[in-house]
Amino acid sequence: KAGVTQTPRYLIKTRGQQVTLSCSPISGHRSVSWYQQTPGQGLQFLFEYFSETQRNKGNFPGRFSGRQFSNSRSEMNVSTLELGDSALYLCASSSIGTDTQYFGPGTRLTVL
Amino acid sequence: KNEVEQSPQNLTAQEGEFITINCSYSVGISALHWLQQHPGGGIVSLFMLSSGKKKHGRLIATINIQEKHSSLHITASHPRDSAVYICAVPAGNQFYFGTGTSLTVIP
Repeated sequence: KAGVTQTPRYLIKTRGQQVTLSCSPISGHRSVSWYQQTPGQGLQFLFEYFSETQRNKGNFPGRFSGRQFSNSRSEMNVSTLELGDSALYLCASSSIGTDTQYFGPGTRLTVL
Repeated sequence: KNEVEQSPQNLTAQEGEFITINCSYSVGISALHWLQQHPGGGIVSLFMLSSGKKKHGRLIATINIQEKHSSLHITASHPRDSAVYICAVPAGNQFYFGTGTSLTVIP
């Protein structure tokens, strides 16, 4: 099986812009979670989607949003980018009945 | 206070040494995860534990639910074990992560 893929791998944006990141889970996995990793805060949970519904959400402002499509692919969007949004954004997928998550390689976002 | 605390933050070992990384948590859990992150960002899930002990090759993970503590041991450490090791605890609606232990194994 192919692993979790994320596109793009690297992205540079300027303050005030918006960005959309994409995640394709492992075939058959219906749960997709998103995480932000920064040197200062470490890994933080953003949200989780299951069957096109947001099931859980972390403590992030409304500028961070996401969605999941019927094929389980997921996108996350960050609007009105701030310098502090510079981070590695990771998504992970898992199958029903298991807590094991399989991580993608991440998208490194730099906000200038 | 963080919900998940790891120690040590940094660890340097000689090849072949036995290594222990500790994780203490304050949130209630159903399972605790150990993750490995290599330079470049890729994360691999090593273990998911809800009780007792698990072993995979040279890696051993233990958990004590009553004491809310888990350890990750690496036997006969090797330079390719150099990575950041992170413990993660699902609680409520989200995951809580330790700050990670950066391990460097010197040949």
